[in-house]
Amino acid sequence: EDQVTQSPEALRLQEGESSSLNCSYTVSGLRGLFWYRQDPGKGPEFLFTLYSAGEEKEKERLKATLTKKESFLHITAPKPEDSATYLCAVTTGANSKLTFGKGITLSVRP
Amino acid sequence: DVKVTQSSRYLVKRTGEKVFLECVQDMDHENMFWYRQDPGLGLRLIYFSYDVKMKEKGDIPEGYSVSREKKERFSLILESASTNQTSMYLCASRSGGEPPPLHFGNGTRLTVT
Repeated sequence: EDQVTQSPEALRLQEGESSSLNCSYTVSGLRGLFWYRQDPGKGPEFLFTLYSAGEEKEKERLKATLTKKESFLHITAPKPEDSATYLCAVTTGANSKLTFGKGITLSVRP
Repeated sequence: DVKVTQSSRYLVKRTGEKVFLECVQDMDHENMFWYRQDPGLGLRLIYFSYDVKMKEKGDIPEGYSVSREKKERFSLILESASTNQTSMYLCASRSGGEPPPLHFGNGTRLTVT
């Protein structure tokens, strides 16, 4: 059974304090790992897809990396507007389901 | 931009009622999904469909059914609503091929009293 574990469950940062969010996974044949951002009361919003170990993607203050066992979402100099829940998900095939982690709630204080 | 529209943002139903949650996507996507999201449990897959009239059970299908008569529309049905089905329901879609990301709607918060 595919498993995705995200840590920590919650993270509080001061504005400008860089950090990383972790997503560990156990799957048979990873075909894609996805990062999403979710604001309260809204659906998840797609951020990145990573397909193979060593791959990296960047968008503004966010950078996602992938190894054979885990992915990191690095947040550089975060701002209060980066406060949200960040979800990680994996899939093993083109028509296969996504398995999600429970998410990491990030709070950035001004 | 892909748009996934869920027909209701909030619903309140009584125990035993039959409940329909509707989802429409505008990007001709092959795959559609229904998840529920609960605090501490995360997103759990109820059903998904990779083509019209096709459906696959997810991790928690009990108490639910689905219908996909047209490519753009995927309906979730609670045959007899129960209080433990109070939750946030999220619909998502994606194209086929090399795994693309899911695109989510904004959710329906269902309360069963």
